[in-house]
Amino acid sequence: AQSVTQLDSQVPVFEEAPVELRCNYSSSVSVYLFWYVQYPNQGLQLLLKYLSGSTLVKGINGFEAEFNKSQTSFHLRKPSVHISDTAEYFCAVSEPDNAGNMLTFGGGTRLMVKP
Amino acid sequence: KAGVTQTPRYLIKTRGQQVTLSCSPISGHRSVSWYQQTPGQGLQFLFEYFSETQRNKGNFPGRFSGRQFSNSRSEMNVSTLELGDSALYLCASSRHRQNTEAFFGQGTRLTVV
Repeated sequence: AQSVTQLDSQVPVFEEAPVELRCNYSSSVSVYLFWYVQYPNQGLQLLLKYLSGSTLVKGINGFEAEFNKSQTSFHLRKPSVHISDTAEYFCAVSEPDNAGNMLTFGGGTRLMVKP
Repeated sequence: KAGVTQTPRYLIKTRGQQVTLSCSPISGHRSVSWYQQTPGQGLQFLFEYFSETQRNKGNFPGRFSGRQFSNSRSEMNVSTLELGDSALYLCASSRHRQNTEAFFGQGTRLTVV
C-alpha cells in the first residue's frame, strides 16, 4: 500500500523568506503526485501536480515542486513567502493504473508566515 | 463554471442518528470521491463512484455508504452515528477515473454530540 510522509508538521517562516515543505512517498508503481493547500474552514485547492515529463513542476501562487524518483520525494518550494501563504499544505499521491482516483494524503504541514 | 457543491455546510447530529450528505460535481465530471478529515487521522479516503458504481472503498465500517445518481450527483450516508464520526467530509470530482486533477468542495462539517 502506498503511503505519504510529510516530515514537518509545522514550518514557521518570516515573510519574504524562502520555504521548502518536504514530502516523501512510498510506492513501487507509477504514481501521480499533487500538492494541495487548505485555508481555514475551506476545501482543498490544487497548487500543482506531477503526472510525467519534466521533474520540475510550477504551480499557482509562485510555488514549484521537484519530483525525485530515486529519493521518492516531491518537495514544495517558494522563493519568497507572503503572509497570505499561511495555510495547511497537503502532499498526495495516486496510482492511476491500480486505484483510479483514490488519493493518499500526507499528514499535512502547517505553514506559518510571520511578519 | 460552478465548482463542487456540498450541502449542507454544517450539521449537528446526536449519537445513534443517521445523516446524509450531498455532493454535486462540476458539470461534465463523472467521478466523485469522498474523504473524511479529522485532526487525529488526517485525510482518509472513503469511497469513489464513477458511472453510478462504487469503484473503490477505503477502510471504513459498513455504517458508511454512498451512492451516485445518473446526473453524477453523489450522496454519502452514515448510520448509527458515533462521536468519532465528527469530521469535515470532503467531496472531490474528476472528469474521468484516471485522476489528473481532482476538484474539492468546501466540505460538510459534521458534529456528533
